[in-house]
Amino acid sequence: DVVLTQTPPTLSATIGQSVSISCRSSQSLLHSNGNTYLHWLLQRPGQSPQLLIYSVSRLESGVPNRFSGSGSGTDFTLKISGVEAEDLGVYYCVQGTHAPNTFGAGTKLELK
Amino acid sequence: EVQLQQSGAELVKPGASVKLSCKTSGYTFSNYYMSWLKQMPGQNIEWIGNIYGGNGGTGYNQKFKGKATLTVDKSSSTAYMDLSSLTSEDSAVYFCARRTGPRGPFAYWGQGTLVTVSS
Repeated sequence: DVVLTQTPPTLSATIGQSVSISCRSSQSLLHSNGNTYLHWLLQRPGQSPQLLIYSVSRLESGVPNRFSGSGSGTDFTLKISGVEAEDLGVYYCVQGTHAPNTFGAGTKLELK
Repeated sequence: EVQLQQSGAELVKPGASVKLSCKTSGYTFSNYYMSWLKQMPGQNIEWIGNIYGGNGGTGYNQKFKGKATLTVDKSSSTAYMDLSSLTSEDSAVYFCARRTGPRGPFAYWGQGTLVTVSS
């Protein structure tokens, strides 16, 4: 199975600070059809996960544009440009290129 | 508005089976895939499998073959997951999540169903 390694496991930030989360894959996530199925989710405490970014860099409808995604192949990054209180929770990367789909272990974003 | 409404919490005995449901509304059920996912307390999320609303075609994580069986009822726009031979390792929150394709993002999620396996 593809292993997604997220760093850091915990991130402490102040409101307004910009932060980045890394997701590294044990295999390239470029599918033979040319698409890269790497997505980012946020799970707030006590809630279901919410889609933020899909296919590396596409912003899901309704998600603030302070969230952005980048990367290719095996290295991917989620950036939050100016953390807000509502951004606190656990961020997961997930890959759909290879079966079975797998998730990173998560990055917990806390307030400093 | 797309909605996925999951069935309520279950307390089941070891060795028993349980059937979870995910009733959908706000979109054409047969045009999308539904995934089921497992999240144990404080732990990572695992993908169990997909089922296509159009024809019931399935794809499973090998780890859950024999444990989970996915089905759909198009007439009620509802997806189901049967979990069999339950053990304490099956105690978790189970989510259904809609995706556009078998590799696409999990764009809409149910609220989750807590399954507790205990005698």
